[in-house]
Amino acid sequence: GAGVSQSPSNKVTEKGKDVELRCDPISGHTALYWYRQSLGQGLEFLIYFQGNSAPDKSGLPSDRFSAERTGGSVSTLTIQRTQQEDSAVYLCASSRGQGVGYTFGSGTRLTVV
Amino acid sequence: QQQVKQSPQSLIVQKGGISIINCAYENTAFDYFPWYQQFPGKGPALLIAIRPDVSEKKEGRFTISFNKSAKQFSLHIMDSQPGDSATYFCAASKGSNYQLIWGAGTKLIIKP
Repeated sequence: GAGVSQSPSNKVTEKGKDVELRCDPISGHTALYWYRQSLGQGLEFLIYFQGNSAPDKSGLPSDRFSAERTGGSVSTLTIQRTQQEDSAVYLCASSRGQGVGYTFGSGTRLTVV
Repeated sequence: QQQVKQSPQSLIVQKGGISIINCAYENTAFDYFPWYQQFPGKGPALLIAIRPDVSEKKEGRFTISFNKSAKQFSLHIMDSQPGDSATYFCAASKGSNYQLIWGAGTKLIIKP
């Protein structure tokens, strides 16, 4: 597609439930990133995929968080047993190379009640 | 050494004034320095970027100034407009094979 597409745009979930957030990157972009942005804060790196290489999971805050990228394209970020502190905007970005030209989606606003 | 330090955290500028946001880095291997602009409810978008072989890059009202010896770079917004009100992020990378390292962001408000 023309841009990075994320769904849903908003998600309200009850504490303890699992959620799945989806990212559809720009076609041909081999690198895909997930970030978390709390209200008024900066970008917190979560996980990074590059082609067929093993993902860099160094930013995942706990084992409740996981992500996969199928066929080098669509990615899903899963948060299990959600907690209120998980409430944030989850942003996905893709790029042709690692360090240049990131294109971000509009994010998924997750609210855990 | 991997950090990019951004200041100020927030900035209020009168319409028509010059907005200046600064970033500093330690890693001399960084060779790509972009600025991203983020409006509420949207993801950050690439605004302008510079490589260390030039000291300044200008695109319209936006200018990056780069000081290699001081390991600093800054974003200047000339004739600031209310529509420039947004959060600005600086970043750096060691090139196309490494991830961007992000500054903490600056919330810019342009007062009419």
